[in-house]
Amino acid sequence: NAGVTQTPKFRVLKTGQSMTLLCAQDMNHEYMYWYRQDPGMGLRLIHYSVGEGTTAKGEVPDGYNVSRLKKQNFLLGLESAAPSQTSVYFCASSYSSRGAPENTGELFFGEGSRLTVL
Amino acid sequence: GQNIDQPTEMTATEGAIVQINCTYQTSGFNGLFWYQQHAGEAPTFLSYNVLDGLEEKGRFSSFLSRSKGYSYLLLKELQMKDSASYLCAVRPYQAGTALIFGKGTTLSVSS
Repeated sequence: NAGVTQTPKFRVLKTGQSMTLLCAQDMNHEYMYWYRQDPGMGLRLIHYSVGEGTTAKGEVPDGYNVSRLKKQNFLLGLESAAPSQTSVYFCASSYSSRGAPENTGELFFGEGSRLTVL
Repeated sequence: GQNIDQPTEMTATEGAIVQINCTYQTSGFNGLFWYQQHAGEAPTFLSYNVLDGLEEKGRFSSFLSRSKGYSYLLLKELQMKDSASYLCAVRPYQAGTALIFGKGTTLSVSS
């Protein structure tokens, strides 16, 4: 069971280049998220999706776009990379917290993608 | 908006007990989570509180007081492998199912 898989794991970009990070989950989770993690800043929510074909902005959405064309995939795009986007990006997924009390709706994280923008 | 505060760093010795505090201010509340993150790895789920009180899970316990906007994570019988960052997160209603994280507490356990 792979869980949440992110590709690529590492990438170096030049300022102004574009790229897409791919997140895939095999747990049939309805909800998916993109976070970035920077030293001293903790995990910050970029965008999230509550279902196929839907996306919503998080805390720091500027400079990023996302798409959820398939339930199992959530793509994060950088159209014109900037040095301020150098970070570790984490994708996560979760099931609904509704229903049984044991459904916490906890997030399951991928291993992270380290992006450097020069 | 949300404001989540936790200490930046803590140190402790093997076998000891440590309490990591978290205070939060949100305009809605639908649960508080604790995650553990070892250096260079992904965060992993530790505990969840949505009602007031203590949740115990082996060596780890988590407490919540909704009226005070306060939680703590209690780690007993500390081991070297417990050296990690501990992340407090809340699920505010307006973020849907998403979690908003504090900046994390780095715990160093020495022998």
